[in-house]
Amino acid sequence: GQNIDQPTEMTATEGAIVQINCTYQTSGFNGLFWYQQHAGEAPTFLSYNVLDGLEEKGRFSSFLSRSKGYSYLLLKELQMKDSASYLCAVNGAGNNRKLIWGLGTSLAVNP
Amino acid sequence: NAGVTQTPKFRILKIGQSMTLQCTQDMNHNYMYWYRQDPGMGLKLIYYSVGAGITDKGEVPNGYNVSRSTTEDFPLRLELAAPSQTSVYFCASSLTGGENSPLHFGNGTRLTVT
Repeated sequence: GQNIDQPTEMTATEGAIVQINCTYQTSGFNGLFWYQQHAGEAPTFLSYNVLDGLEEKGRFSSFLSRSKGYSYLLLKELQMKDSASYLCAVNGAGNNRKLIWGLGTSLAVNP
Repeated sequence: NAGVTQTPKFRILKIGQSMTLQCTQDMNHNYMYWYRQDPGMGLKLIYYSVGAGITDKGEVPNGYNVSRSTTEDFPLRLELAAPSQTSVYFCASSLTGGENSPLHFGNGTRLTVT
């Protein structure tokens, strides 16, 4: 079967660093997306990885290991506004209609 | 540039009623999608379209219909509303259906069927 696992909830402190993990088992792989979703709002695109390694975008970085079926999203210098749900999605075939979504990790940033 | 616009934001339906959720995008994207999001269930694809005049079923199409007469618009129709259709509905678009083509989401429609 096809499956994506993420922790359900995480808590961190303002100014700290947090790592949100995502493991996946899919029949194909053509890239992994991370989206951020604030409560009551739409998901917004954060990052995309298709090759192994780290992609850095400001305070956010995303890592991929295809051999391990593993990715993480790293958030540095946490701010209160980073409190949100973080969704991992795998493109299991060469087309977005085959996106497989994780259930999301709800991150609470405390002062 | 408004992006993806959905209407209405909220709606309450009685069982058996019908309604259309509207979605329009102004980014000239070819691909459009309808998802539903339920607590603890993640995003589920209802229908998608790869261009005007072309639509196809996603994971959970039963009870819904779509049309794509123009590039911009992709309405979702519920014919006989059921309590199981209580959910948050998101319309999304992408430039292509390729690997590195992120989805742009509308702000969602919260639908309650009682």
